[in-house]
Amino acid sequence: DSGVTQTPKHLITATGQRVTLRCSPRSGDLSVYWYQQSLDQGLQFLIQYYNGEERAKGNILERFSAQQFPDLHSELNLSSLELGDSALYFCASSVEGAQGTQYFGPGTRLLVL
Amino acid sequence: QQQVKQSPQSLIVQKGGISIINCAYENTAFDYFPWYQQFPGKGPALLIAIRPDVSEKKEGRFTISFNKSAKQFSLHIMDSQPGDSATYFCAASIKAAGNKLTFGGGTRVLVKP
Repeated sequence: DSGVTQTPKHLITATGQRVTLRCSPRSGDLSVYWYQQSLDQGLQFLIQYYNGEERAKGNILERFSAQQFPDLHSELNLSSLELGDSALYFCASSVEGAQGTQYFGPGTRLLVL
Repeated sequence: QQQVKQSPQSLIVQKGGISIINCAYENTAFDYFPWYQQFPGKGPALLIAIRPDVSEKKEGRFTISFNKSAKQFSLHIMDSQPGDSATYFCAASIKAAGNKLTFGGGTRVLVKP
């Protein structure tokens, strides 16, 4: 158990809908990263937050957004969903300065029908 | 642009054998190279990592070899066990860019008893 929690574990929704994925980082970790894992794109970095502020952005679609709250939990919002958004979404957390040591949650499996 | 290329995509090894996975990178600004292990239904977990000023790092049965001039690094799993059957990802990150991980495509390893 990495100490990172993600809810829900599974999500089934329809095209055009909007969903919110939630992540609680390990206790004391200030950085939260979001990654998408799909068969065709592999594991891809989406966005990073550090102590409530956006720190880095990857190949994140404009339909996707994220935020980190004062209690450090983070939410990834996916809107106008398309079939191609079906994937595993992982959240990872790390202590600032601990390069590379990102602890991944169990993921949320999103299926868009 | 795939910045980290990983091979092979899959490999089968007998119990007690050696598994070797190779990665090549393009961006010379990468300054941290972790390997992650992922079991089905789980998030990736950090296995071992190396910095470019070190040519080799060993932790138990796992060894990373790093060749800075060739921009290549590899993971060796010695005395492979059935419990090592998993997908392995190499990755690279840049501390100044927020430590976001750029992953290779993954290698599915099956250790036969």
